[in-house]
Amino acid sequence: ELKVEQNPLFLSMQEGKNYTIYCNYSTTSDRLYWYRQDPGKSLESLFVLLSNGAVKQEGRLMASLDTKARLSTLHITAAVHDLSATYFCAVVIPGTASKLTFGTGTRLQVTL
Amino acid sequence: DTAVSQTPKYLVTQMGNDKSIKCEQNLGHDTMYWYKQDSKKFLKIMFSYNNKELIINETVPNRFSPKSPDKAHLNLHINSLELGDSAVYFCASSQAGVGEQFFGPGTRLTVL
Repeated sequence: ELKVEQNPLFLSMQEGKNYTIYCNYSTTSDRLYWYRQDPGKSLESLFVLLSNGAVKQEGRLMASLDTKARLSTLHITAAVHDLSATYFCAVVIPGTASKLTFGTGTRLQVTL
Repeated sequence: DTAVSQTPKYLVTQMGNDKSIKCEQNLGHDTMYWYKQDSKKFLKIMFSYNNKELIINETVPNRFSPKSPDKAHLNLHINSLELGDSAVYFCASSQAGVGEQFFGPGTRLTVL
């Protein structure tokens, strides 16, 4: 059974600081997604990572994928309050009809 | 223009009742999904349909029955509601294959 673990589960950081969220998964996969969820809202797609070594950046967020290590990272640069949300990674096992298995989520709180 | 829509947004009902949640997508996708998010924010897939055919059916009580009248619609009917069914239910859609999944706004179900 695929297990997807994120750490930390909760992250409180000051504006202007950098930090990384980690997503480890237990089975071979070459597709990983990052989503953002604001309180009481839906999930917003941030990044789609489709191959080993993939790196994508959008604003202050950068995501990478290492399929050999079964690890993805979401790096936050110079955090701002607007980035406060819960971030989920999700993994697809090949041949499972795009079944997403989600990580536990990381709740990010950026303080002023 | 809403891409993935769900109705109702909130549903409060008594134990033992039967209720339905509707989902529609206007993205032209061929695959739709139902996810359950529990009180700890953990997201788990329940069902998936591709072109009206059920392709993912996780270990879900048979009180839950999905129905897809066409590839733009996926409804979820729940019989004999229980307290443990209280959660937020998200519909999502994607194009089969690489498809990034786009999520609806969610339906918050509260069973009293």
